[in-house]
Amino acid sequence: AQKVTQAQTEISVVEKEDVTLDCVYETRDTTYYLFWYKQPPSGELVFLIRRNSFDEQNEISGRYSWNFQKSTSSFNFTITASQVVDSAVYFCALTSFGGSQGNLIFGKGTKLSVKP
Amino acid sequence: DTGVSQDPRHKITKRGQNVTFRCDPISEHNRLYWYRQTLGQGPEFLTYFQNEAQLEKSRLLSDRFSAERPKGSFSTLEIQRTEQGDSAMYLCASSLETSRDEQFFGPGTRLTVL
Repeated sequence: AQKVTQAQTEISVVEKEDVTLDCVYETRDTTYYLFWYKQPPSGELVFLIRRNSFDEQNEISGRYSWNFQKSTSSFNFTITASQVVDSAVYFCALTSFGGSQGNLIFGKGTKLSVKP
Repeated sequence: DTGVSQDPRHKITKRGQNVTFRCDPISEHNRLYWYRQTLGQGPEFLTYFQNEAQLEKSRLLSDRFSAERPKGSFSTLEIQRTEQGDSAMYLCASSLETSRDEQFFGPGTRLTVL
């Protein structure tokens, strides 16, 4: 079975602090994709990143960075110098490639509050 | 490209009534997904279409739920004989072709069953 666990329910930081959101996944598939989505208070899920299971390179995009480690089945997300606009619920998700699977398996999300 | 749109944005209904939601995907996207999200939870998969074919349905999709995507364009999700437990945000997403393509989500339809 596939599963995504985001152990941190809520995190509160002060602006300019760095924050890491944890994501641990379970899958028996050797080929899979991992995603992070942001859900701001407005409610619409916004795609942030996709990573396939064969690419363990870390990725950096501006203040965002992602650390993918297959050995620990983790795909963590770090926001550097957080800003108030980063306040949102962040979801980690998993999907397998091929077969009959087409859907995303989401974690329960981590609510990030960035205070000025 | 205007993104994924959903209509209505909010729906309040009485228990036992039927409701129908519409989703318009991004025009060149072949895949269309329906998810349900309850408070404090991540979205849960309901069903998806590849063009007009419904390829997978979750166990969450009871017999009271039906989805269609005629002509492979917009999709409708109907819930018959609504129950209070159906109250949730219903999200639609679309993607280009395969499960490796990122899914783009609409704003959702919030259903409240009284």
